[in-house]
Amino acid sequence: KAGVTQTPRYLIKTRGQQVTLSCSPISGHRSVSWYQQTPGQGLQFLFEYFSETQRNKGNFPGRFSGRQFSNSRSEMNVSTLELGDSALYLCASSLTPNRQGPSQETQYFGPGTRLLVL
Amino acid sequence: GENVEQHPSTLSVQEGDSAVIKCTYSDSASNYFPWYKQELGKRPQLIIDIRSNVGEKKDQRIAVTLNKTAKHFSLHITETQPEDSAVYFCAALDSSNTGKLIFGQGTTLQVKP
Repeated sequence: KAGVTQTPRYLIKTRGQQVTLSCSPISGHRSVSWYQQTPGQGLQFLFEYFSETQRNKGNFPGRFSGRQFSNSRSEMNVSTLELGDSALYLCASSLTPNRQGPSQETQYFGPGTRLLVL
Repeated sequence: GENVEQHPSTLSVQEGDSAVIKCTYSDSASNYFPWYKQELGKRPQLIIDIRSNVGEKKDQRIAVTLNKTAKHFSLHITETQPEDSAVYFCAALDSSNTGKLIFGQGTTLQVKP
């Protein structure tokens, strides 16, 4: 099976702009989680989607949003970009069987999108 | 809130020696603990995981132990090789069971040939 893919791989934006990142999970995986990775804060959870529903959200401002489509592909959007949003954005997919089911399934990461805000 | 503490932040060993990385977690309801290895410029890759109904798990040179009472888990790498050099992250699944992993701050492991 093909692994998790993310597009674009690199982005350069300026403050105040907005950006949309895309994640395609492994075929058959219905859960997609997003993480922000920075040298100072490490890996921090943004949100998780299952069957087009957001099930959990991390402690990020409302400028960070996401969605999931019926084919399980997911997008995240950051509006009004700030310098501090510069980071590697990683998505991960897992084979969670159902919405109420436990998520003790391995999360497989994509290569990430490196966002630089100038 | 939920928290995972990881130590040490850096670890340098000679090739062939063992390496141990330790993590503690705060949410006693967490029940899944994966370990990821991230090489420079690469994505995090799962190397081993353990569920709360198991105390120890081993896969060739890598082992993980879990102490639920003390709320800590450890990664053990034996017979280290230069290719083991990377950043290692421990994580705990949030008790909401909704795919939220809480990560430790990472350990940079250097294996000297």
